[in-house]
Amino acid sequence: AQRVTQPEKLLSVFKGAPVELKCNYSYSGSPELFWYVQYSRQRLQLLLRHISRESIKGFTADLNKGETSFHLKKPFAQEEDSAMYYCALKNTGFQKLVFGTGTRLLVSP
Amino acid sequence: DTAVSQTPKYLVTQMGNDKSIKCEQNLGHDTMYWYKQDSKKFLKIMFSYNNKELIINETVPNRFSPKSPDKAHLNLHINSLELGDSAVYFCASRDPNSPLHFGNGTRLTVT
Repeated sequence: AQRVTQPEKLLSVFKGAPVELKCNYSYSGSPELFWYVQYSRQRLQLLLRHISRESIKGFTADLNKGETSFHLKKPFAQEEDSAMYYCALKNTGFQKLVFGTGTRLLVSP
Repeated sequence: DTAVSQTPKYLVTQMGNDKSIKCEQNLGHDTMYWYKQDSKKFLKIMFSYNNKELIINETVPNRFSPKSPDKAHLNLHINSLELGDSAVYFCASRDPNSPLHFGNGTRLTVT
């Protein structure tokens, strides 16, 4: 069964501090992973996907198949990064995205 | 030129009523979804349609009935609303190789 685990419900850091939002997955096939972000009163939107290997808004995430992880990192958090972050796994067979329970990031000045 | 649009944005109604939420996407995507985000912010898939055909139906009460008149629309009808149905409902669409594009969400409050 496919599953996405985000162990932290809330991550609170000060501005300028490094951030790592954890995501672990379980999936027997070849995973495709995403991070979605939901800013206050806004729609969910894609932040980044592992196949793109890109950095968006200073965030990066590396797929580690050995540890079955896809942690989201940013070296220096900004107040505008405060949002709800969801890790998601795509089941290529069934075209379905399974989301983790989300982590709220709160960046204080 | 909103890509995925949902109406209404807010919906407040009493228990026992029947209500519908509409969703339209102008991205030309073949697949559309309904997700439910509960008070704890858990986001769970409810339904998925591909070219007007139901392909995913998670464990959702049969009071919830999706309807897709064409591939650009996926509406959600809810019968006999219950307090526990209060949540934010997100419509989304995608193509096989694209990420999900979400609507702004519909905040449903059942009193």
